[in-house]
Amino acid sequence: GAVVSQHPSWVICKSGTSVKIECRSLDFQATTMFWYRQFPKQSLMLMATSNEGSKATYEQGVEKDKFLINHASLTLSTLTVTSAHPEDSSFYICSASSGLAAGTDEQFFGPGTRLTVL
Amino acid sequence: AQTVTQSQPEMSVQEAETVTLSCTYDTSESDYYLFWYKQPPSRQMILVIRQEAYKQQNATENRFSVNFQKAAKSFSLKISDSQLGDAAMYFCAQGGSGTYKYIFGTGTRLKVLA
Repeated sequence: GAVVSQHPSWVICKSGTSVKIECRSLDFQATTMFWYRQFPKQSLMLMATSNEGSKATYEQGVEKDKFLINHASLTLSTLTVTSAHPEDSSFYICSASSGLAAGTDEQFFGPGTRLTVL
Repeated sequence: AQTVTQSQPEMSVQEAETVTLSCTYDTSESDYYLFWYKQPPSRQMILVIRQEAYKQQNATENRFSVNFQKAAKSFSLKISDSQLGDAAMYFCAQGGSGTYKYIFGTGTRLKVLA
């Protein structure tokens, strides 16, 4: 099956610093990648959709300047949490889809990144 | 707006018994997909089963099967011969054919009793 990795799996940072999370599709080309946020005991909340080579589309209520998303290649997307604060502490999950090219819309999920902001 | 509703926050089942998790959805799209995902304590999302809306036949995967009622917009998951390893959060999700975005339900925590 398709494999998606995330790095790091857990990061602790100080308030005011920026943190970058990488999402990689290891064995397929991901035309579309998604970033989700999950609070404890809650569901996944879609933050943004990114297509390779174009600007990400953010969901309503998600700050574009706070959560910078870059999808520079067909195998890599990054999420940068800028000037992180304790309320940004959460579990961030990415997923990737090969999209129409493969005739499927199935998303393949990474293992997630736990962000703790002190 | 698209919505996915899971009305059971928590369910329990005895080992080897059968349990059904409920999911309803609302969409204006005619072509869409439905999914059940399992999220164990590791928090890795694992696809359990998927259903294409245009297919009338209910999907099955070993011990997992769905009851897809398109007119009622209902998509329940039946787990037969429950095992301890089935204990997890289960999320129902609906995906559109064009944008590939998923809308997730709030989840059902399944406990399997030995």
